[in-house]
Amino acid sequence: TQLLEQSPQFLSIQEGENLTVYCNSSSVFSSLQWYRQEPGEGPVLLVTVVTGGEVKKLKRLTFQFGDARKDSSLHITAAQTGDTGLYLCAGSRNTGGFKTIFGAGTRLFVKA
Amino acid sequence: ETGVTQTPRHLVMGMTNKKSLKCEQHLGHNAMYWYKQSAKKPLELMFVYNFKEQTENNSVPSRFSPECPNSSHLFLHLHTLQPEDSALYLCASSQEGQGETQYFGPGTRLLVL
Repeated sequence: TQLLEQSPQFLSIQEGENLTVYCNSSSVFSSLQWYRQEPGEGPVLLVTVVTGGEVKKLKRLTFQFGDARKDSSLHITAAQTGDTGLYLCAGSRNTGGFKTIFGAGTRLFVKA
Repeated sequence: ETGVTQTPRHLVMGMTNKKSLKCEQHLGHNAMYWYKQSAKKPLELMFVYNFKEQTENNSVPSRFSPECPNSSHLFLHLHTLQPEDSALYLCASSQEGQGETQYFGPGTRLLVL
């Protein structure tokens, strides 16, 4: 059972376009992280969100944590070829001890 | 980012070989993790160490043997692996146990022939 669903699984867009990727669950998370991973490298942390409704901006990237802390979105404005990579979300929740689970990722390809 | 380092970055081994993967974190964290990442599959948590004690083993075959001599170092000893064990092996660390933000190393790309 995939507890963290990421959509879309794959996205190919032209440079300059905007996009949004989603991370959804039926579980409530105490915090949620977004990572970007390039081929052959480890995931690099982009942001951690902890408060329901929280919005964080990182240059052209906008992250939102749902009010109920069950879902999150990542919006990229004016995508660049350097944004290409695998975007992973990870949620931490207390199930008699904290656990962190990862989504399968959204693979983004930005064409020049 | 050099907070978490892993060596080697690439490894090719036969099914009868014995090799070890090494991870070192320079972040002052107390928890360390091994993950397996295969193509088109989510990250699979293998082992968790918290303050050098193993707190989680996710039904990993015994041909993978972790070792955590201190909070900064983590090893994964490999022996008699199978071709399906070929994957990217990622090490991560966090301040305390799970529930904290994890920081990843660059990974070791393993190919088992």
